[in-house]
Amino acid sequence: ETGVTQTPRHLVMGMTNKKSLKCEQHLGHNAMYWYKQSAKKPLELMFVYNFKEQTENNSVPSRFSPECPNSSHLFLHLHTLQPEDSALYLCASSHHGSTSRTDTQYFGPGTRLTVL
Amino acid sequence: QKEVEQNSGPLSVPEGAIASLNCTYSDRGSQSFFWYRQYSGKSPELIMSIYSNGDKEDGRFTAQLNKASQYVSLLIRDSQPSDSATYLCAGGPAGGTSYGKLTFGQGTILTVHP
Repeated sequence: ETGVTQTPRHLVMGMTNKKSLKCEQHLGHNAMYWYKQSAKKPLELMFVYNFKEQTENNSVPSRFSPECPNSSHLFLHLHTLQPEDSALYLCASSHHGSTSRTDTQYFGPGTRLTVL
Repeated sequence: QKEVEQNSGPLSVPEGAIASLNCTYSDRGSQSFFWYRQYSGKSPELIMSIYSNGDKEDGRFTAQLNKASQYVSLLIRDSQPSDSATYLCAGGPAGGTSYGKLTFGQGTILTVHP
């Protein structure tokens, strides 16, 4: 596969469930991101991993727990979610090659999450 | 609060016309700017990146950046119905500890009618 892949593509879960979203990038990048996209709202950055180290947690509730075991894989562990967490969750990656600018981020297809 | 503002539209143009999409940003520290296209139900795909003042052209697309006015625009020449989508503007800081922290606008819906 090429580019950025995400699984599952669709997920329905109850508020008491625990599930995980997976992202894999095949671009040789060294930075990975989780975004949330809700209806009628701008794309919202959740987490940034740079060389496997978390460099940003954008005030995300602890019921979202990211994990980055290596530069190619990123997970988002979900537990006790709320219905308002229903959204499209997008993973992205980029090559961190410059100290003077932010490089282009390439997005995966997303996971459409519904919390009942 | 860092903000990126776009007119949500919808912007409707006839086929073959020029579509002009605009974006303003509040953070003067922003150094990197991106235009993404997002079709309904799909993920964003990069149209153009721009880092320096002036124009940058790629095929039918031209991005313009004016850092003094904190303004970014995207022109689409010879618009096609396949260009109908939501266009997202994003701004990012220079590198360092803020690397990768893009702020997105709410997007402009573009409709190109035959």
